[in-house]
Amino acid sequence: SAVISQKPSRDICQRGTSLTIQCQVDSQVTMMFWYRQQPGQSLTLIATANQGSEATYESGFVIDKFPISRPNLTFSTLTVSNMSPEDSSIYLCSLEVYNEQFFGPGTRLTVL
Amino acid sequence: AQTVTQSQPEMSVQEAETVTLSCTYDTSENNYYLFWYKQPPSRQMILVIRQEAYKQQNATENRFSVNFQKAAKSFSLKISDSQLGDTAMYFCALRLIQGAQKLVFGQGTRLTINP
Repeated sequence: SAVISQKPSRDICQRGTSLTIQCQVDSQVTMMFWYRQQPGQSLTLIATANQGSEATYESGFVIDKFPISRPNLTFSTLTVSNMSPEDSSIYLCSLEVYNEQFFGPGTRLTVL
Repeated sequence: AQTVTQSQPEMSVQEAETVTLSCTYDTSENNYYLFWYKQPPSRQMILVIRQEAYKQQNATENRFSVNFQKAAKSFSLKISDSQLGDTAMYFCALRLIQGAQKLVFGQGTRLTINP
């Protein structure tokens, strides 16, 4: 397994602002993932982040809205830009070890 | 495209009982992994059990076991001797072996274990 931490654990933001979520892991991994979990819903993959290359976004998610950085093998950030109340969700980062994905504790975002 | 369906939004059982959560999926691929994840109120996603599609033997992890029926594309989770700490959302997920490593999740089943 792996130890994954996320900052912040929760935040309340005003619409139109941006929030950057950090994900730190305790081991070097090539691929990291960002998921969104809307209230009462399941998890949906936003993008896959490889170190040293541009993130790959899933259908319905765009880089302008969810820019991702992956500066090294243990760290990634997800920014939620120009937020609206519809962006209120839990955002989770994950990584894969031996074909099993492990998740961070999540960031609960509320947009007013 | 892959889809995962969990048809039981909520379930409730008494402590020490056995409960089975249902999951069906659809994929045109032959090689994939199936997972059950648990998300307690703390919201931390915890991997419960994993099944490789090429293995006929059903996976088991202590009180947790699966009934994997590949032809029927069914993957149910059985929890034996349920405990209060098993109260959580349970998600079924599929990942192809080839190609993208993304997990496709079902809608989840909210399981409550009553004392």
